[in-house]
Amino acid sequence: DQQVKQNSPSLSVQEGRISILNCDYTNSMFDYFLWYKKYPAEGPTFLISISSIKDKNEDGRFTVFLNKSAKHLSLHIVPSQPGDSAVYFCAAWSGANSKLTFGKGITLSVRP
Amino acid sequence: DVKVTQSSRYLVKRTGEKVFLECVQDMDHENMFWYRQDPGLGLRLIYFSYDVKMKEKGDIPEGYSVSREKKERFSLILESASTNQTSMYLCASSDPLGGTREQYFGPGTRLTVT
Repeated sequence: DQQVKQNSPSLSVQEGRISILNCDYTNSMFDYFLWYKKYPAEGPTFLISISSIKDKNEDGRFTVFLNKSAKHLSLHIVPSQPGDSAVYFCAAWSGANSKLTFGKGITLSVRP
Repeated sequence: DVKVTQSSRYLVKRTGEKVFLECVQDMDHENMFWYRQDPGLGLRLIYFSYDVKMKEKGDIPEGYSVSREKKERFSLILESASTNQTSMYLCASSDPLGGTREQYFGPGTRLTVT
């Protein structure tokens, strides 16, 4: 039973355009949502998070939007750069056990 | 600067061997985690620990055990390695009161079991 879903395995975007990465979840008890970026042969690095009581959080080129009624969040990267090419994981945090539940990831390719 | 280190970047072991993966964090975090990452499956939680001597099973604990004798160190043990345990293993730590709920990851150990 997958509680965090990233339904698209890959996304290709032109440099300078917007990248929109989507994530859906099923458990309404999640308190925080996080996005991680991962390059091959490296550990994931934290990008941005959002509390379940907010609907938007912005940090530089990265913005996360949360739609609680739809149990959906998205990460917007504007403008996209070739260095953004990586695997992006959506994760949800539960206060009940301090655990993160990860999606399967999406591979973003930014074309020069 | 926050740091999580793992004992090996690459490891090759034979079927049936006992394998130890070590993880050390220097942030005085109480929580530590072991994950494995496989293509198309994302990150799956194997075991985690909230404190010294404490451990909890994650989603896929079969074939693994852990040890946490000191706060900064969390070890993953494969009692008898099998080929289906070939994977990327990632250790992470977190502060339970951290504002962003972030887990800090090590660089990973790519384990191949032949």
